Amino acid sequence: GESVGLHLPTLSVQEGDNSIINCAYSNSASDYFIWYKQESGKGPQFIIDIRSNMDKRQGQRVTVLLNKTVKHLSLQIAATQPGDSAVYFCAEDRGAGSYQLTFGKGTKLSVIP
Amino acid sequence: GAGVSQSPSNKVTEKGKDVELRCDPISGHTALYWYRQSLGQGLEFLIYFQGNSAPDKSGLPSDRFSAERTGGSVSTLTIQRTQQEDSAVYLCASSIVAEGREQYFGPGTRLTVT
Repeated sequence: GESVGLHLPTLSVQEGDNSIINCAYSNSASDYFIWYKQESGKGPQFIIDIRSNMDKRQGQRVTVLLNKTVKHLSLQIAATQPGDSAVYFCAEDRGAGSYQLTFGKGTKLSVIP
Repeated sequence: GAGVSQSPSNKVTEKGKDVELRCDPISGHTALYWYRQSLGQGLEFLIYFQGNSAPDKSGLPSDRFSAERTGGSVSTLTIQRTQQEDSAVYLCASSIVAEGREQYFGPGTRLTVT
């Protein structure tokens, strides 16, 4: 069935390096994507979103890239900090009239001091 | 302003007992969502409310699960005759409009069924 998934379940990064978290989606009708960060014991926290009419969006230290040709989404975190350690989820909105987000399973990011 | 709140934060119950989980969405958010997150897994959609009505209940895993929302605000998720497989974190989210976008999540209720 259609789903959102992640290439790498775990990622360890040295503090100060850049992190890249990848996500594949299969529904070509999806027109909105979100990255969430979930720290231990907390609910998911919105990081950044992107609409399907864009291929790149930047926030503070984060960049989301969307490649609709291969249905791929990535989250780049610049100068990764220990506070970035968390599980990161991508989610897709399947278009007009949709009311639910479909979440991937998550990638755990561990920052090595 | 206040975010989404959920109570209790933790609930331990015996198999066969009923439990009620509460969600207080962000004031003014018309849409409310319930998700379930099992250990090490992503979020499983359960039910969505637009105002007080739930257009789609198909995500509820069984007829032991029900939810209601009153006054366009507080929502309660009820699980009857709990089973061990119901153990999970139950997350509530709300959004301004019912398009699944920019959902703001509460901290969740960790349910353990013994």
